[in-house]
Order: sequence, then C-alpha cells, then structure tokens
Amino acid sequence: QAGLTQPPSVSKGLRQTATLTCTGNSNNVGDQGAAWLQQHQDHPPKLLSYRNNNRPSGISERFSASRSRNTASLTITGLQPEDEADYYCSAWDSSLSAWVFGGGTKLTVL
Amino acid sequence: QVQLVESGGGVVQPGRSLRLSCAASGFTFSAYHLHWVRQAPGKGLEWVASTSYDGSDEFYADSVKGRFTISRDNSKNTLYLQMNSLRIEDTAVYSCAREGDDAAGANAFDSWGQGTLVTVSS
Repeated sequence: QAGLTQPPSVSKGLRQTATLTCTGNSNNVGDQGAAWLQQHQDHPPKLLSYRNNNRPSGISERFSASRSRNTASLTITGLQPEDEADYYCSAWDSSLSAWVFGGGTKLTVL
Repeated sequence: QVQLVESGGGVVQPGRSLRLSCAASGFTFSAYHLHWVRQAPGKGLEWVASTSYDGSDEFYADSVKGRFTISRDNSKNTLYLQMNSLRIEDTAVYSCAREGDDAAGANAFDSWGQGTLVTVSS
C-alpha cells in the first residue's frame, strides 16, 4: 500500500519556525485530511493534530496544521529543544480501505 | 486516564505463530475502533490492522493479509492480534492504538500503548 510522502529531515534553529509537509492524494489527505504525530526516541507516538487543524487537549498552540488539496502541513513556531523528534502524518485511504503513514520527518533543532 | 498495555511479544522462529494482547482501561472500550501499528527497528510507523468498535469490521495491510487476525473481547476490554506464518520482516515493536471519536481525535490514533517487541529469527 502506497504511503504518504514526507521529507526525511528538517533542521531549524532555536526559536525559529519549522514547516513539515505530507503529500498524499485525493483518496487520503485530500479526502478526510491528515493527522500529525510526534515521536521521541523510545517513546510511543503522541497525537498533535487531527482532521487537518484540530489540536487535542494539552497540545501547545505552537503546533498548527493545515491542508492544501493533497498536501498537509505542520507548522511549529518558537522551536524548543524538546521539539526535536520524529514527526509522522497519517490518513485513512478510502480507495485502499487502509490507513497510511508518511515515512516520517526527523526534526533537528540547532 | 487512557491506558493501553500490550503483551505477548518475544522471539519466534520463521513460520511459527504468536498472539499479542492489548489490555485497555480508562475509557469505554466497546465504543472505540482499535488498531495495531508496528515499527521495525530504526524504521517508521506501519499500520497493521484495524477493528471496528463492535468487531464487525476488520481491515488489514496487504503485508499481513491472510496471516494476521485482529479480534477483540469487549467483555474483557482486550484487543488481540493473532500472527501466523511469521516472517523475518515482521520483526517490529507492535503497538495498539485507539482511534479518536468525533469529540476528539477523529480519524486519528489518539492514544497509544508502549508496544511489545516481536523478533522473528531462526
């Protein structure tokens, strides 16, 4: 099953803004939108946003998501050392009847 | 709070079987769709299988279709994954995940367990 496309790595400086992208198609990201997950080393993933730009309770406003057609984006403002992690997007693919993930983006905060 | 605790992982030879369990607490188990997601060492997340809130619908990744079976016991608040004909490439940490509802986390995996490691090796 084809997955979503994410850049393997992004590096930004402390207090800067990082924008991560996730590209799918009209059957997944372009249909019901994408969710974003953050994963620190040796920890389970944590949901950051769902249905394109809804934040679960307790998630910082520094994390915001959006979607333009078949591409979802996660913007992290005021980068902090603890933001250094792997970020994954996910979506339900209505054509495949399967969940798909992006390959993940490793965010480095310099 | 929501808790998902996996068990049943271990080392198994290729071609053998293993059954994973995920014990849930802190929410109304029977109201939520549940999933198994795996992560091979040093790799990304891969969806494995899903079951609807009442077990009436199941979905599988092509890589495990015909070999793995997801099930649930709503009376025991437990999710299962029966894995048969295991292959070396099935080696991964297997985690159960809850799918959120319209109130929060819709169309997303909003809670995760810590995972259990399955190693397929001869």
